[in-house]
Amino acid sequence: KQEVTQIPAALSVPEGENLVLNCSFTDSAIYNLQWFRQDPGKGLTSLLLIQSSQREQTSGRLNASLDKSSGRSTLYIAASQPGDSATYLCASCEDRGSTLGRLYFGRGTQLTVWP
Amino acid sequence: GAGVSQSPSNKVTEKGKDVELRCDPISGHTALYWYRQSLGQGLEFLIYFQGNSAPDKSGLPSDRFSAERTGGSVSTLTIQRTQQEDSAVYLCASSPTLSTISNQPQHFGDGTRLSIL
Repeated sequence: KQEVTQIPAALSVPEGENLVLNCSFTDSAIYNLQWFRQDPGKGLTSLLLIQSSQREQTSGRLNASLDKSSGRSTLYIAASQPGDSATYLCASCEDRGSTLGRLYFGRGTQLTVWP
Repeated sequence: GAGVSQSPSNKVTEKGKDVELRCDPISGHTALYWYRQSLGQGLEFLIYFQGNSAPDKSGLPSDRFSAERTGGSVSTLTIQRTQQEDSAVYLCASSPTLSTISNQPQHFGDGTRLSIL
């Protein structure tokens, strides 16, 4: 069974810092790796999706990289802002038979950016 | 609608009662997923539908849990004889088709917060 781990569990930084959130997974047979954001009391908002054949994806101040062979993904947030405060979740997408499309989630990194 | 809609947003019920949770996926999305988010377990997969069929029910925690989907659209998750450990946020997600899962993210609703007294 796929296991996804996120480090750190929590992070508190002043506005303007560049951040790195880490995600590791045990089974490299994935369709893609997805990063989500979750605000309190809300569902998940998709941030970036990296296909298994890709190395990275970028959206605005966010950049996510994927190294399948080592089972790692990194989310880089540039010039952090208070509005970035949320829980960030990574998830690997299963590519095997009847479990195709199933997401395995990490426990998340709770980010606080203070002014 | 524009996004995945779940109802009710909150549900409080007594232990032993049955509950039904509803999910309206994005129009045209054929794949639908249910997840559960609890403090002790994080986010865990429950079941997914491709059209009206459920190829993977392996995540359902017990036979008290069941789900159905009709007309390739609305899905209902039913929990019978609820227990306190069923308290969690139940999230629904949809995506266009399984053939596009390599490059299409799942779109999530805001969830139903279930509290069992």
